Amino acid sequence: SYVLTQPPSVSVAPGKTARITCGGNNIGSKSVHWYQQKPGQAPVLVIYYDSDRPSGIPERFSGSNSGNTATLTISRVEAGDEADYYCQVWDSSSDHLVVFGGGTKLTVL
Amino acid sequence: EVQLVESGGGLVQPGRSLRLSCTASGFTFGDYAMSWVRQAPGKGLEWVGFIRSKAYGGTTEYAASVKGRFTISRDDSKSIAYLQMNSLKTEDTAVYYCTRGRATNDAFDIWGQGTMVTVSS
Repeated sequence: SYVLTQPPSVSVAPGKTARITCGGNNIGSKSVHWYQQKPGQAPVLVIYYDSDRPSGIPERFSGSNSGNTATLTISRVEAGDEADYYCQVWDSSSDHLVVFGGGTKLTVL
Repeated sequence: EVQLVESGGGLVQPGRSLRLSCTASGFTFGDYAMSWVRQAPGKGLEWVGFIRSKAYGGTTEYAASVKGRFTISRDDSKSIAYLQMNSLKTEDTAVYYCTRGRATNDAFDIWGQGTMVTVSS
C-alpha cells in the first residue's frame, strides 16, 4: 500500500519559518491535503490540492508538491501554530483508498 | 453553520457491535461523500471508509482493517451517516470522526468533534 512519510517532530522559533515534509513515491502526481490538529480537537483542513488555502486559514500557511516530496510551509510561526500536522492523499491502487501520513508534531520554541 | 455531530460511542466488549451516527447540518448533505476516520489514543489518523453521494452511486469503500466488519450507510432525508461496527476488537478503540468531501480526491473540509469508542472486557 501507499506510504506517506513525515518527520515525527519539527521545532521552530517564533517568527521563523517551519517546513513540514511529506514523502511518498511520486507524490507529485497526486493531490496532497494538509490538516492541523491541536490537542483534544478535531483536525482542521489548512491546505488542499497541494497549495490552496481554505477561507479563514492565514496566508502564512502554504504548500507545494513535486517529485517525491510535498511540503507544508508555515511562515512567521506563532505559538498558536503548535499542533500535529498530517498530510493526506487518495490512492486508488492501495487497500487504503485514503492514506494519511504519520503526523508531525510542530513545537514552537 | 456547517456542522457534523457524531454520537453513539461508548464502552463495548470485544466481539460485540456498536452503531455510530453522524448528523449533518448547514449544508446539502446529499451532495457530499461522507467518510469516517479514526484515531487510536496517542496515535495518528486512520481512514476507516466512506460512502459516495447518490450522484456517484452511493457506494462504499473500506480500509482493509475493517472490511467485512464495518458498514457505512446514509439517510439523506435525515442528513445522517452511520457506521455500523460488528465483531469489534480491542484495536478498534479510538476516537471516530466523521468528515465530508465532495468526491474522490477531495479534501475533508469539515470534521465532527469525534466520539470515543472503547473496546474492552
